[in-house]
Parts: sequence; C-alpha cells; structure tokens
Amino acid sequence: EAQLLESGGGLAQPGGSLRLSCAASKFTFSSYVMNWVRQAPGKGLEWVSGISGSGDDAYYADSVKGRFTISRDNSRNTLYLQMNSLRAEDTALYYCAMDVGGTRLYYSDSWGQGTLVTVSS
Amino acid sequence: EIVMTQSPATLSVSPGERATLSCRASQSIGGKLAWYQQRPGQSPRLLIFDASIRASGIPARFSGTGSGTEFSLTISSLQSEDFAVYYCQQYNNWPPLTFGGGTKVEIK
Repeated sequence: EAQLLESGGGLAQPGGSLRLSCAASKFTFSSYVMNWVRQAPGKGLEWVSGISGSGDDAYYADSVKGRFTISRDNSRNTLYLQMNSLRAEDTALYYCAMDVGGTRLYYSDSWGQGTLVTVSS
Repeated sequence: EIVMTQSPATLSVSPGERATLSCRASQSIGGKLAWYQQRPGQSPRLLIFDASIRASGIPARFSGTGSGTEFSLTISSLQSEDFAVYYCQQYNNWPPLTFGGGTKVEIK
C-alpha cells in the first residue's frame, strides 16, 4: 500500500512563503500523477494542484495560480508545493494524494495525513 | 469549471438503516465520478470510482449509481464506522478537479 508523508507546514505571515514536501514510498512514484488537496478548518476538500508522473505537466486551481508551484523529484520520490504570496484564505490542512492516472488527472486512491498551514500575522 | 452540489448537507440516520446521498454536476460528466469518506480526524478514503465501482476493500453495503449530472451513493445498512462526511468529485473536465461540499452522515 502506498505511503505518503507530508511535511513543511507551519505558521507563515501574509505575503510569506512556505514549501511543502511529500515523501512517497511503496509504489512506483514516477508512474503516477500526484495532487495537492487542501481542507480549510471545518470546511470541505479543495483541489489545489496536480502534476504528471514525468513532471512535464502541472495544473493549478485558479485560487493559487501564479502563487503556488508544484514540482516533483522522481529520483527522491518526493512531491513539493512551493507556496508564495500566502494569504489568510490559504490556511488549511494540505494533503498529498496519489492519483490513479499517469498523465491525466482522475481520482486519488491514497492520501497522506496532511500538513497544517496557518497564515496569520 | 464544473460545480458539484451535494445534498443534503446533513443526514441523520439510525444504525442499521439505509442512507442515500446525492451529488449533482453542473454539466454532464459521463460516469467520471468518485466518492470519498472522511471520518473525523482522518484523511479522505476512496470508496467508489467511475460512479459505481467499489474501490479495493470497500464493503458491499456501499453502492454508487448515476451518470451525466445525477449521482447517488447508498449505504444499505449503516454501521457505526460509517458515520462520517462523504464527498463526491468529478474528473471529467479538468483542471480543476472539483469536489462537492460534502454530506455529513450523523447518528439519529
């Protein structure tokens, strides 16, 4: 069974930056699309970004486009989310999730435990 | 962007009873719909994909139906561990992938 472990969350000031990481194991990381999905406190799920298995194609929600950058290092089995120009509304638990697709986005059948990002002054 | 609307927001059901949750898409998504369960304090768990196919290890009491814009998830006989929040998600038109707002199934 796939294992995903997020890290890098914490407190950031508005306008600040954070870099999230997701260490993957027990599956062929480079074969799968990876997604970031967030959940604001007490709210529902919101897809943030996805990246193809090769890393050649990246996709973003409009709410983060131009501020967040998804990337992956297939040699290290690690997914990243660089978050810049953070806003209060970015406060959420960020999940790393393994998609079943390799190039296009489908649904996620493995999820990490999440890392909490809080944006506040 | 395809908007997913779930109803009701909260469903109160007694253990052993049947629960039916609804999910509507703002335009046709064919059968490209997934359902997830999220128990309190836990990560989401895939239940159903392609509208009606149970994911690995999911009990047969969970079933999904629908196509186009109207979908439903039925739990035939609620067990204590089934009280949770359920989300639908479309993957026909992306980006973005979009989720419904969720239905909380609570104990009556």
